[in-house]
Amino acid sequence: ETGVTQTPRHLVMGMTNKKSLKCEQHLGHNAMYWYKQSAKKPLELMFVYSLEERVENNSVPSRFSPECPNSSHLFLHLHTLQPEDSALYLCASSQDPIVNQGVTFGSGTRLTVV
Amino acid sequence: DQQVKQNSPSLSVQEGRISILNCDYTNSMFDYFLWYKKYPAEGPTFLISISSIKDKNEDGRFTVFLNKSAKHLSLHIVPSQPGDSAVYFCAASRTGTASKLTFGTGTRLQVTL
Repeated sequence: ETGVTQTPRHLVMGMTNKKSLKCEQHLGHNAMYWYKQSAKKPLELMFVYSLEERVENNSVPSRFSPECPNSSHLFLHLHTLQPEDSALYLCASSQDPIVNQGVTFGSGTRLTVV
Repeated sequence: DQQVKQNSPSLSVQEGRISILNCDYTNSMFDYFLWYKKYPAEGPTFLISISSIKDKNEDGRFTVFLNKSAKHLSLHIVPSQPGDSAVYFCAASRTGTASKLTFGTGTRLQVTL
């Protein structure tokens, strides 16, 4: 248990479905992140929230929509995804600016789009 | 443009020997570097870090070396153990507001008996 909890652990969804990924951190951090890990690619930063404000959006398609209602919770709303969006989605949190141990990751949600 | 590169996708080392994992970066503004370890079905976990004001940081069996002029860092694991078998990610950041980590592609380490 890292202090960052992600649900669900696994998700299979059709291309016309709408689903949401949830992340919660119990570390008192003030920044939260969504990363995407695809096979043989670097971990890709998708979104950064610092003090509940979105401060980074790395050219992510609009079919991915983040929400940060407070400093402990982060959501990733998914709609009309494509099969190439199948990947491991990792939530992370940190102090901002990043110090010492960098970000703390959750265990991820393995997403399969069919 | 990949700013953090791990050119070896995999490495196999015998138990008890030294494992050396390498990482190169291109952005001279990076001033903090980290190594993460990832087991299957888990998120990456922090292993060791180094600030650009240092050239070496040691924590038990793990040592990270930083060569700023070559924009290169390496992770040494001595002695290697079977439980070290995992994927290792190098990451770099610039400190400052809303700072973020840029990751490499990872190196899969296999420690054999």
